[in-house]
Amino acid sequence: SQKIEQNSEALNIQEGKTATLTCNYTNYSPAYLQWYRQDPGRGPVFLLLIRENEKEKRKERLKVTFDTTLKQSLFHITASQPADSATYLCALVRGSGGGADGLTFGKGTHLIIQP
Amino acid sequence: DTGVSQDPRHKITKRGQNVTFRCDPISEHNRLYWYRQTLGQGPEFLTYFQNEAQLEKSRLLSDRFSAERPKGSFSTLEIQRTEQGDSAMYLCASSPWTGLGNEQFFGPGTRLTVL
Repeated sequence: SQKIEQNSEALNIQEGKTATLTCNYTNYSPAYLQWYRQDPGRGPVFLLLIRENEKEKRKERLKVTFDTTLKQSLFHITASQPADSATYLCALVRGSGGGADGLTFGKGTHLIIQP
Repeated sequence: DTGVSQDPRHKITKRGQNVTFRCDPISEHNRLYWYRQTLGQGPEFLTYFQNEAQLEKSRLLSDRFSAERPKGSFSTLEIQRTEQGDSAMYLCASSPWTGLGNEQFFGPGTRLTVL
């Protein structure tokens, strides 16, 4: 069956360091992979999208990589700040249906940036 | 505020009662999605609409769940004969149809508690 795995335990990072979050998937051939941020009691907020033919994408302090051979995406936050503390969700868009069949999310990784 | 809105934000009901939630998407978005999220999990896709057409409903959790988007604008999600296992956050998201892998804009969610 299809499966998405993210670090289920909280990730504690010291302020100013780079935080790296992992998303692994099995039995998928995603056309796209998206990362969202979710704060407690709120809906997810879109951060970045990367396509299957892209290796890397950047946006300000964020960087995402996508390795379809390893079936893995890495999400990096450089120069991390306490305000980056949140849960980060990996979501896959299947190749068929044009993404219209909804996103499939991982459980998310709870990131804590300590001052 | 031109974001996705959901009403109510919180709903407490007794087992066996029917509940209905409303979602108002971003006005120019023609795609609307419903998700359910339980504690410690990522959002789980339920159904989606393109304009007023419900194009995917096989993921609705049971025949007690139904959704409508009668005029292609707002949508409602109804749960009949609620059970304690229905307690969760129900999230609505919308996106424009501009091709594959569009980012989704989420509302704040409706938190349902079934006693």
